[in-house]
Amino acid sequence: DGGITQSPKYLFRKEGQNVTLSCEQNLNHDAMYWYRQDPGQGLRLIYYSQIVNDFQKGDIAEGYSVSREKKESFPLTVTSAQKNPTAFYLCASSMGTGREETQYFGPGTRLLVL
Amino acid sequence: AQSVTQLDSQVPVFEEAPVELRCNYSSSVSVYLFWYVQYPNQGLQLLLKYLSGSTLVKGINGFEAEFNKSQTSFHLRKPSVHISDTAEYFCAVSSSFRGGYNKLIFGAGTRLAVHP
Repeated sequence: DGGITQSPKYLFRKEGQNVTLSCEQNLNHDAMYWYRQDPGQGLRLIYYSQIVNDFQKGDIAEGYSVSREKKESFPLTVTSAQKNPTAFYLCASSMGTGREETQYFGPGTRLLVL
Repeated sequence: AQSVTQLDSQVPVFEEAPVELRCNYSSSVSVYLFWYVQYPNQGLQLLLKYLSGSTLVKGINGFEAEFNKSQTSFHLRKPSVHISDTAEYFCAVSSSFRGGYNKLIFGAGTRLAVHP
């Protein structure tokens, strides 16, 4: 059963702590994305990766970092530099990066600050 | 730069009534348009998309949308809603980004609340 998995479902961060959100896909997609969702604001792009070992900043990359060592995996680290990390984080993937491509989404991780 | 405006933040409707969720976009080039649905605490699921061809696009769960180039709109409709359609709906347009990459620009979302 192909799809995208994100873990954990809920994550709590303490002040000054880095936390890592997991995203795995078995769709054999080349492109992967991270979005942040805040109430009433839609989705904003944090980072994207078109291929293994390559990734680019999106619209709100400050305070976040990513890696793409394997095609299936695209973890997101929320660093202590991100001053307002409380949000719902969504990972997505697509076969390619053409304008017609459909992005498929994972179930999301909700990050809360203690 | 391309943008998407969803004209209603919330739409209340009674069960079995018709509904229209409005979406306008701004673009000076050809567009690809998408509607996604998000149920509470879940990811987004594609409802339908317009790439080219017929301006009336049919999607899953009985939804359809009409692309209107002159009015730069892509409104989502369903003739008879169910309680299970209660969710947030996002309109998105595909936009060119730096490095030849194309990204989705999302509207702020419309919360559809279906009442018995």
